[in-house]
Amino acid sequence: GQQVMQIPQYQHVQEGEDFTTYCNSSTTLSNIQWYKQRPGGHPVFLIQLVKSGEVKKQKRLTFQFGEAKKNSSLHITATQTTDVGTYFCAAGSGNTGKLIFGQGTTLQVKP
Amino acid sequence: EAGVTQFPSHSVIEKGQTVTLRCDPISGHDNLYWYRRVMGKEIKFLLHFVKESKQDESGMPNNRFLAERTGGTYSTLKVQPAELEDSGVYFCASSRSLPMANEKLFFGSGTQLSVL
Repeated sequence: GQQVMQIPQYQHVQEGEDFTTYCNSSTTLSNIQWYKQRPGGHPVFLIQLVKSGEVKKQKRLTFQFGEAKKNSSLHITATQTTDVGTYFCAAGSGNTGKLIFGQGTTLQVKP
Repeated sequence: EAGVTQFPSHSVIEKGQTVTLRCDPISGHDNLYWYRRVMGKEIKFLLHFVKESKQDESGMPNNRFLAERTGGTYSTLKVQPAELEDSGVYFCASSRSLPMANEKLFFGSGTQLSVL
């Protein structure tokens, strides 16, 4: 079945450093969503990308969807301690509401 | 607006016992999903309801798992009998109206299930 690979699994950064997590699929994706789960919390929707080559920004967060719609990335500029958590990408599956999640990247930020 | 609520937040049971998880979606959300995250792994889809109908149950691990959504409001997920590998966090999520791609999901806080 469809799979989404996400790397790295863990990332430790010093506050102020940048961070990037990547998602890759062997098949073309109809769309991709990003979620953030704080420690002890639940996944919270961040953004959705639909178009080939799409780039969206939310303050220090930049989301990209690849030209071939097979990969996506989330980049955080100048991380803060409030950025800690696990970031998941999730691919839409056809015309259903089902999402295929990546394994998640857990970000730790040292103050 | 109240979010997705799940009960209980934690459950510790012994192998062979039965556990029932409950999810109350956001009012008016016809789509309800169950997902599971086993320690350190991806969040895996279990099934999807549209109102009271099972739209997709392709992720249900086996027949020890039974999900219901009578009346199209809250849903229950029963595990009977529970096995060790069923341990994990069970998330419920809901989305509004029609089951179409691009709908964002609203997740509940999850039920941490530990089978000993």
